[in-house]
Amino acid sequence: DAGVIQSPRHEVTEMGQEVTLRCKPISGHDYLFWYRQTMMRGLELLIYFNNNVPIDDSGMPEDRFSAKMPNASFSTLKIQPSEPRDSAVYFCASSLASRNYGYTFGSGTRLTVV
Amino acid sequence: GNSVTQMEGPVTLSEEAFLTINCTYTATGYPSLFWYVQYPGEGLQLLLKATKADDKGSNKGFEATYRKETTSFHLEKGSVQVSDSAVYFCALNSPEGNTGKLIFGQGTTLQVKP
Repeated sequence: DAGVIQSPRHEVTEMGQEVTLRCKPISGHDYLFWYRQTMMRGLELLIYFNNNVPIDDSGMPEDRFSAKMPNASFSTLKIQPSEPRDSAVYFCASSLASRNYGYTFGSGTRLTVV
Repeated sequence: GNSVTQMEGPVTLSEEAFLTINCTYTATGYPSLFWYVQYPGEGLQLLLKATKADDKGSNKGFEATYRKETTSFHLEKGSVQVSDSAVYFCALNSPEGNTGKLIFGQGTTLQVKP
């Protein structure tokens, strides 16, 4: 298994531009999570899905952020318009519906908004 | 609610020193407990886990024992190496419901000097 695949690995964009981050979870996993990591705020859960349905988006910071999961093998996190304070590493993780399983994380997307 | 508390970092040790990173939790019932490691520039990786009281998780020389009486899951290693320098996260999966969602501690940075 190739693991959780995120793209791109690095993204540099100008303030005001739209940014789309992509994630392919592990086949067969039924949970997908989006996290943001910064030095100041640590690891923050933004949103998670179960069987492609958003369950909890209370961590999404603003309406500028949106996430979709159109099918079991693909999810996107979109920021429109982007701002410099959105600069962070964004991680996707997937899991099974079992409390004993734990997550598998992707390698992350490092976003820089200038 | 459920929560995880880790010792403040950074923890700085010399090579071959003994490592302990403290982790305590608050949860109803019997959660599953996890340690994740994040090496510089990478995503989080599962290091070890324990799913019931008195279980010991182990991997790569690291160990942690699930102590229900003290609600703790301290991470230990007998002899650290420079390559162990990383951020370590303790996490739990709530026993309420049967979801894949983890609750993370704030992370503890370990620096090992030669």
